[in-house]
Amino acid sequence: NAGVTQTPKFQVLKTGQSMTLQCAQDMNHEYMSWYRQDPGMGLRLIHYSVGAGITDQGEVPNGYNVSRSTTEDFPLRLLSAAPSQTSVYFCASSYSLGGEGEKLFFGSGTQLSVL
Amino acid sequence: DAKTTQPTSMDCAEGRAANLPCNHSTISGNEYVYWYRQIHSQGPQYIIHGLKNNETNEMASLIITEDRKSSTLILPHATLRDTAVYYCIVRVNSGGSNYKLTFGKGTLLTVNP
Repeated sequence: NAGVTQTPKFQVLKTGQSMTLQCAQDMNHEYMSWYRQDPGMGLRLIHYSVGAGITDQGEVPNGYNVSRSTTEDFPLRLLSAAPSQTSVYFCASSYSLGGEGEKLFFGSGTQLSVL
Repeated sequence: DAKTTQPTSMDCAEGRAANLPCNHSTISGNEYVYWYRQIHSQGPQYIIHGLKNNETNEMASLIITEDRKSSTLILPHATLRDTAVYYCIVRVNSGGSNYKLTFGKGTLLTVNP
């Protein structure tokens, strides 16, 4: 199993550009989520999904869009990039919500710079 | 979810046990204690979790006090590869749609040769 795969690893955008960060998992996990991590801070939840067709907002959803058309994929869209979105982005998944299945598996991250 | 308090940083000698404390004095009866770690520039990695009883796996041991207001993660024989930021998180394993696993700033553990 590849686990959680994020692409690209690095990206530089200009203010106002749009892009999609890709996240895919091959573990048949129902739950997927996106976090951002800024220097000196912990991870902050952007959006999450509890299954195909179901998404919800986390702590810092503004400026980001998500959809979940398949169990495997959970892309994060930046519609109009801003310098405040410069960060490292992590995608995570878990088998289920609640109980013993709630162990998060993280991808290796996407480092995004918005100029 | 209950708030947690961890020291900002700790040092440990290679080969010795590393004991990382976490205070969660407002924890409620149905909240689990989770530990994750993040090695520099990598995604966080799950270590262990528990509710009331002490837990052990191939990576670490988790000791939870009887009143559940604090816990300690123990790495029995720390290696240089264990240098990382360790996050203690408490949350309800309740499922549903209210899922927000909150990471604080964690403890930077530095294992020295």
